Amino acid sequence: DVKVTQSSRYLVKRTGEKVFLECVQDMDHENMFWYRQDPGLGLRLIYFSYDVKMKEKGDIPEGYSVSREKKERFSLILESASTNQTSMYLCASRPDRGEFSGANVLTFGAGSRLTVL
Amino acid sequence: GIQVEQSPPDLILQEGANSTLRCNFSDSVNNLQWFHQNPWGQLINLFYIPSGTKQNGRLSATTVATERYSLLYISSSQTTDSGVYFCAVGGAGTASKLTFGTGTRLQVTL
Repeated sequence: DVKVTQSSRYLVKRTGEKVFLECVQDMDHENMFWYRQDPGLGLRLIYFSYDVKMKEKGDIPEGYSVSREKKERFSLILESASTNQTSMYLCASRPDRGEFSGANVLTFGAGSRLTVL
Repeated sequence: GIQVEQSPPDLILQEGANSTLRCNFSDSVNNLQWFHQNPWGQLINLFYIPSGTKQNGRLSATTVATERYSLLYISSSQTTDSGVYFCAVGGAGTASKLTFGTGTRLQVTL
């Protein structure tokens, strides 16, 4: 089974700190994603990546950046954390960048719950 | 963009009961998926079902694309079915972008 591992399950940071959320997948997936989940809003796409060093903005990229230096690793960066970035962050991957299909669906990590004080 | 509405927002069932969760979407889609998020936060894909009907054990799903809705059926519910069920859709040309609904929170009690 594909495994998507997020480095931290719970984090507490202070306003203005730089925050790194790390995600690693072990099945050579091409496509990786970062979502945030908030009550009443479902999941919203922050950024995604098709390949190493490539990134695409999602629906809510403001205040975030990403890095994909290796195929298996996709990092989400909060340059200067703010309280409105307190949320659950979910990383996901899928085999390739093509259309979704029964064989090309998302596999999620367990999530990282970030609290910014 | 596409709007996704899920109903009901909350549902409490006794173990063994059946339930139907609904997902309405505002535009034509070529991609629809159902996910389950367990109480510990782990999301798992249940179905990829842009049209038609699929079954997997006690779960089944039906999407009527022409009428812009999908249904997820849970039969003989178990406590392990508890969690949040999300519907996510994508339209033509949206490639990697899925729009998620706000979910249905299900609690199955003994």
